Amino acid sequence: DQQVKQNSPSLSVQEGRISILNCDYTNSMFDYFLWYKKYPAEGPTFLISISSIKDKNEDGRFTVFLNKSAKHLSLHIVPSQPGDSAVYFCAASRYNAGNNRKLIWGLGTSLAVNP
Amino acid sequence: GAGVSQSPSNKVTEKGKDVELRCDPISGHTALYWYRQSLGQGLEFLIYFQGNSAPDKSGLPSDRFSAERTGGSVSTLTIQRTQQEDSAVYLCASRPPGGGTDEQFFGPGTRLTVL
Repeated sequence: DQQVKQNSPSLSVQEGRISILNCDYTNSMFDYFLWYKKYPAEGPTFLISISSIKDKNEDGRFTVFLNKSAKHLSLHIVPSQPGDSAVYFCAASRYNAGNNRKLIWGLGTSLAVNP
Repeated sequence: GAGVSQSPSNKVTEKGKDVELRCDPISGHTALYWYRQSLGQGLEFLIYFQGNSAPDKSGLPSDRFSAERTGGSVSTLTIQRTQQEDSAVYLCASRPPGGGTDEQFFGPGTRLTVL
């Protein structure tokens, strides 16, 4: 029962172009969404997040869009750079009993930015 | 400042042996999480500690797995009678107190190989 789905296991884009990574979720109770980036042999690092009260959050080259009616969010990277090549994880959280804000993770999308 | 540290970085063990993995969270972080990532898979939640509350053990795959957090700081994940399917990267993350952004800060992981 995958509550957070990243349906594209991999994505390849040309340097300078836009990278769009997609994420779908099934639980309408999720109220916070995060994107993490992971390089090989390292732990994931936080990239950008968005609250369910917003539909867009921008930080430099990274923008996250949230479409609550479609239960869909996307991460846009523009312009893409070779250093962006990594695995990107989408995660969601909800306020459940006991203040246990546990993140629910997607399986990740491996992004390759080609020079 | 110091981030989350994990030791050892790599562990090779024989099937049937017990292993202990250590996590030192960021000072002052009250929440601590253990995940594992098997080859080609996403992050699998194992256990979550929040302050003095009872830990959320709902992700532990079997009773061979246990974890403790002493003094609200360092945590140890113990796997007894290891099996080959336990081979994975074990990741620890911590989170600061307060509602905040749900951002978790990850360590570099321990790569466990069970022969």
